[in-house]
Amino acid sequence: GAVVSQHPSRVICKSGTSVKIECRSLDFQATTMFWYRQFPKKSLMLMATSNEGSKATYEQGVEKDKFLINHASLTLSTLTVTSAHPEDSSFYICSASQPGTGYGYTFGSGTRLTVV
Amino acid sequence: KNQVEQSPQSLIILEGKNCTLQCNYTVSPFSNLRWYKQDTGRGPVSLTIMTFSENTKSNGRYTATLDADTKQSSLHITASQLSDSASYICVVTINDMRFGAGTRLTVKP
Repeated sequence: GAVVSQHPSRVICKSGTSVKIECRSLDFQATTMFWYRQFPKKSLMLMATSNEGSKATYEQGVEKDKFLINHASLTLSTLTVTSAHPEDSSFYICSASQPGTGYGYTFGSGTRLTVV
Repeated sequence: KNQVEQSPQSLIILEGKNCTLQCNYTVSPFSNLRWYKQDTGRGPVSLTIMTFSENTKSNGRYTATLDADTKQSSLHITASQLSDSASYICVVTINDMRFGAGTRLTVKP
C-alpha cells in the first residue's frame, strides 16, 4: 500500500532558527501533497496544498513567508518553519495524493515541533 | 458550523467491550467517507473507506456504516483492545477533505 514517510518525528529548536520537515512518498509519485497543523485534542487544520513544480497554495491565515513549502520532485515535499517562535510549537502532518485521486488520503507519521 | 460533527467527544470503555462512534455530516453528495485512527503523536491511519452508495465496510474488528438518507456514519469496534485507545476521525471528501474533530477513545483493562 501507499506509504508516506515524514522526518523528523520530533525536533526541538531555539527561537529564531529555522526547521525543515520532509515528507516523502515511498512507493508512489505524489503530484500533490498537503501540510496540516494539529493542536492538542483538535482535528487537523490544512495549512497548504503543494503541487510538484509549482507554488504552494496556502489557506487563509497561514503566513507563506513563515511556512515555506517546496515540492521539487514527485516524491518529496518540504515544509520549512522560518524564524520559529514558541507559538509555532505544534504537531505538523503531511499527506500525499496517490495518482488519479487528487486527495491526500495517506498521511505521514507527523512531526512534533517544540520551539524553546 | 462544522460540516462533519463527531460524537461523543470522548469515550472510556473496558477492554473486551464493544462501542460505536458517530459521525454526522451536512455535505452531500460526496466522493467518499473515511474513518481514520490516530494514535497520540502519530499521523492518521485509514481504517475504512465508503463511497456515497455503500452502506457498510468492515476491516477486522472495525465496521463502518453509512446512511445517506440521515447523513450519518458510525464506526463500530468489537471486542475492544487496549491498543484501540486512540482518536478516531471521520473525513468526508467532496472536492477537498472535511475533517471531524474526532472521538478520543480510551480502553481500560
